Amino acid sequence: DGGITQSPKYLFRKEGQNVTLSCEQNLNHDAMYWYRQDPGQGLRLIYYSQIVNDFQKGDIAEGYSVSREKKESFPLTVTSAQKNPTAFYLCASKGIYEQYFGPGTRLTVT
Amino acid sequence: DQQVKQNSPSLSVQEGRISILNCDYTNSMFDYFLWYKKYPAEGPTFLISISSIKDKNEDGRFTVFLNKSAKHLSLHIVPSQPGDSAVYFCAARSSGTYKYIFGTGTRLKVLA
Repeated sequence: DGGITQSPKYLFRKEGQNVTLSCEQNLNHDAMYWYRQDPGQGLRLIYYSQIVNDFQKGDIAEGYSVSREKKESFPLTVTSAQKNPTAFYLCASKGIYEQYFGPGTRLTVT
Repeated sequence: DQQVKQNSPSLSVQEGRISILNCDYTNSMFDYFLWYKKYPAEGPTFLISISSIKDKNEDGRFTVFLNKSAKHLSLHIVPSQPGDSAVYFCAARSSGTYKYIFGTGTRLKVLA
């Protein structure tokens, strides 16, 4: 089955620790994205990558980092510099026109 | 600056009736518009889209209308079903860019 996988579904971390969220796609899409969703808010773009070895900051990139070493993979690291890391994180890839989303990772930092 | 706005946070509709979800945008460079449906703790799923060269696109029970002069689009669901209860996001993209701008979502509740 073609799609996007994100793991784990739920992630818990202590404040001050970096954490990496996984995103893998087998849709052969070039472009991939990371969004964050907070209660009552829309999807806010963190980073996106148009092609392997290239990525651009989105609207809320501070405190996050990404890499794109393979077409299939676009991991997101939430660093200790991110002031409010607790959120629902969504990864997506882009088809011809629309985006396809993974199931999301709920990160809780205490 | 919220370029894509969904001014109704929630909407309740009786089963079998029409649901109309609205979305306004400010950027005249947007040329492609999409609607997504999202259940809690899941990723959004693509529903329907429309290019700026059209004013209507239909897919089964779902129809999207685009009014470029008013910078307004709407999603009509007819007839509404309880399984349609979810949060609906509209999104927009400018030509030649990879960025999609999302609205804040409207929670639709279809009452049986």
